[in-house]
Amino acid sequence: QVQLQESGPGLVKPSETLSLTCSVSGGSVSSGNYYWSWIRQSPGRGLEWIGHIFYGGNTNYNPALRSRVSISVGVSKNQFSLKLSSVTAVDTAVYYCAREASSGSFDMDVWGKGTTVTVSS
Amino acid sequence: SYELTQSASVSVSPGQTATITCSGHKLGDKYTCWYQQKPGQSPVLIIYQDNKRPSGIPDRFSASNSGDTATLTIRGTQATDEADYYCQAWDIAVVFGGGTKLTVL
Repeated sequence: QVQLQESGPGLVKPSETLSLTCSVSGGSVSSGNYYWSWIRQSPGRGLEWIGHIFYGGNTNYNPALRSRVSISVGVSKNQFSLKLSSVTAVDTAVYYCAREASSGSFDMDVWGKGTTVTVSS
Repeated sequence: SYELTQSASVSVSPGQTATITCSGHKLGDKYTCWYQQKPGQSPVLIIYQDNKRPSGIPDRFSASNSGDTATLTIRGTQATDEADYYCQAWDIAVVFGGGTKLTVL
């Protein structure tokens, strides 16, 4: 079955850019049935959707983060990536990647295990 | 921006029925899904397209969505159902509810 695995630095300095990659196995990011999404969860808090990408490159972002977020897809490597610029302590969170239905329901049926990113000098 | 509101916590006795609600403007006009998240784990999709269960999710879990409220019902609640539950919908972006902590007393 499809599995997702996040990877990237666990520590990022304030004002720098957070960069994470989600590797997809058991399936293809080129599937037209799904978006590929990033979600985060700050310590003790709820889920916050960051954005998603379709394999053709179309993206949608959380309006609250749009000015700082970029999501890209690498079809040849079967992965997709997140960049979040100008980070501060409030960006400290567990970051998840997920597969999201593109059929109009936008439910996320496959999630990675999550990776913890701490913003600190 | 669109908001989904959930009660912070719900308590239920083992074997009883737990009801968790999610409210948003004209939520019934949108697809709603629900996730279960246990401590230290990733969320798990338990309901999609308002009332469908993914493979492997017990039929104790059911849901509905009408008007401004979506409802997740857990019948015969078990200790293993103790978790945080999140509703989610789409309105120009994916929106999550704030989550409801279900305690099985």
